Amino acid sequence: AQSVSQHNHHVILSEAASLELGCNYSYGGTVNLFWYVQYPGQHLQLLLKYFSGDPLVKGIKGFEAEFIKSKFSFNLRKPSVQWSDTAEYFCAVGGSSNTGKLIFGQGTTLQVKP
Amino acid sequence: DTGVSQDPRHKITKRGQNVTFRCDPISEHNRLYWYRQTLGQGPEFLTYFQNEAQLEKSRLLSDRFSAERPKGSFSTLEIQRTEQGDSAMYLCASSLAGTASNEQFFGPGTRLTVL
Repeated sequence: AQSVSQHNHHVILSEAASLELGCNYSYGGTVNLFWYVQYPGQHLQLLLKYFSGDPLVKGIKGFEAEFIKSKFSFNLRKPSVQWSDTAEYFCAVGGSSNTGKLIFGQGTTLQVKP
Repeated sequence: DTGVSQDPRHKITKRGQNVTFRCDPISEHNRLYWYRQTLGQGPEFLTYFQNEAQLEKSRLLSDRFSAERPKGSFSTLEIQRTEQGDSAMYLCASSLAGTASNEQFFGPGTRLTVL
C-alpha cells in the first residue's frame, strides 16, 4: 500500500535550534517527493521537492531535505530555526510517471519559541 | 492574484443538505485535484482531472460526491445529503501535466461544517 509516515507529530524548539523532521514512505516505483508547509492562516505552500538528480535538495527559507532511497526516507532539515518557522509541515509522495495524486503524511506541527 | 482560488471559503450547512464548492486553477494548468483534510491529518486525495476528463477517483469518494470540470477550466465538487462526517477542509490544487516533478499548487480551501 502507498503511504507516508511522519515520525514527529508535534515538535517544540527554541530559536536557533537545529531541526530535523522525519519522513518515510512506502511506494512502488520511482517517486517524486515533496515537503509542503502551512503557516497559520495560510494555504499549503511548497518548501522543496525531489524528482531526480542530487538527492540533497535545497528549498526556500534555508530548508533542505535528503532523499535516501535505501531507507525510503526524505527527512527535512534546517540548521537554525526562527520563530517565523512555526507552522505545520507535510511530507508527500507522488509517482514519477506523473500519475497525478499526492499521498501526504499526517503532518508535523512545529512550534518555535522566541 | 494568479494562484488557485476556491469559493466559498467557509460553508455551514445542516445535515442532509447539498453543497457545492468551486475551484479556479492557475490559468495555464491542465490538471486539477481535489483533496480533503480533517483536523490533525494530512490532505487525502479525492479525485483529479486532466483537462475535462476525470482520470482517477479515490475510494473515499462515495456516490454522494461528484466532481466536474466541464470546460477544462474551473471545477465544482458537490456533496449530496451531507453528513456530519463530511465536515472537513476541502482543498483544490492544480498542476501542469508533463512537468518532471508534477508540483501541485494549492488553494486556500473551503471549510465545511455540517451541523
